[in-house]
Parts: sequence; C-alpha cells; structure tokens
Amino acid sequence: EAQVTQNPRYLITVTGKKLTVTCSQNMNHEYMSWYRQDPGLGLRQIYYSMNVEVTDKGDVPEGYKVSRKEKRNFPLILESPSPNQTSLYFCASSLRGRYEQYFGPGTRLTVT
Amino acid sequence: KQEVTQIPAALSVPEGENLVLNCSFTDSAIYNLQWFRQDPGKGLTSLLLIQSSQREQTSGRLNASLDKSSGRSTLYIAASQPGDSATYLCAVREGGGATNKLIFGTGTLLAVQP
Repeated sequence: EAQVTQNPRYLITVTGKKLTVTCSQNMNHEYMSWYRQDPGLGLRQIYYSMNVEVTDKGDVPEGYKVSRKEKRNFPLILESPSPNQTSLYFCASSLRGRYEQYFGPGTRLTVT
Repeated sequence: KQEVTQIPAALSVPEGENLVLNCSFTDSAIYNLQWFRQDPGKGLTSLLLIQSSQREQTSGRLNASLDKSSGRSTLYIAASQPGDSATYLCAVREGGGATNKLIFGTGTLLAVQP
C-alpha cells in the first residue's frame, strides 16, 4: 500500500531533550516536506527536500533540523525542544511534476 | 504574499443536502490546488487535485472547480452523509517555485446531521 508513515504518533517529552520524528514513504517520491499544525495558524511548512541530500528551510524552520540521506526517509530532528514546539506535525511527499502531496498520519508532540 | 481563505469556517447541514465549500486565494500564479479532508486528530486525506490548467475535477460525489483569474475554488459535495463530517482544507502550490510548499486555508468544519 502506498503510504507515508511517521513515528512516533504521540510523544511527550521535556524541554531540552533531543528527539527525532521519523518519516518514510514507499512511493519513490522526490519531494518531501514537514509541516506543523497549530490552532488558528493552520499548517505551515518547516522544511522541505527536493531529493537526496537537498534540503531547505520553509516558513518556520527555527529549532528544527532535517536530513535526507535516502530517498524514502526524511527525519525531523529537534535538538533542544521547547514548549513552543508543542504541535501536531505532518510529513508529506509528492512526485516531481504532478506535485500531489500525500500526508502521513501526524505526530502529536508535547514539550513540557 | 499568498493568502488562502475558506468560508464558511463551520457548516452544519442535514443528511442528503448538497453543499458548497469555498476557497479563495490572493495570488493567481498557482501551480495547482488541492482539497483535503481531515478527521479529528488524524492526518490529511487528499480528495482532489486541480492543476492550474484545469477547470474542474470530479471524484464520486465530490466536484472541485477552479477559477484562477478570480482566485477561487469550490468543493461541491452531493447528497451529503454523516460520514462526510470532517474539516475540509484547501491548499495552493505556488507556481514556479521549488519549495514544494502548500499554503493552506484554515479550513471549513462540516457537520452532517443524520
């Protein structure tokens, strides 16, 4: 089944404790993105990647890192999480040319 | 700066009614427009994708139209069912950019009453 998977789905952590949210897609898509969703602000892009080893900042990149060492994986790294990073995070992927975006199930992160 | 607006913010209809959700965007230079459905606490499910050169797309009871020049899209749902209850989001991908960024509206919360 074609899909985007994220892990973990739920995470509660404390300020400053490094964490990684994994994202994987099995559709051989070139493009991948991370978004966060917050009440009243909607979905905003954090980082994106056009292909392996090619990443760039979206609208709200502060406090986040990403890597794209393999085409299928695009992990989101929070090196020192803070409470303002409490949010619902989505990974998405799309095929170059068509650009229809497919989203993962989301990761709900709480930073205390 | 592209802004996407969805009206109404919430809508409640009785089962069986046909309904229209509206989406407007400020910059007509878009590559495509995508409609999504989001159930509470869940991910986004892609419903329809309209490329900038297209006027409409249909899938089952759903029909989405696009008028780039006026910066508008509508999602028509025929014969609504309680299972259609969800938040509907529209998003535009700006033309010519390599950012792969979708700019989302804040959604319409739809409740279909049995």
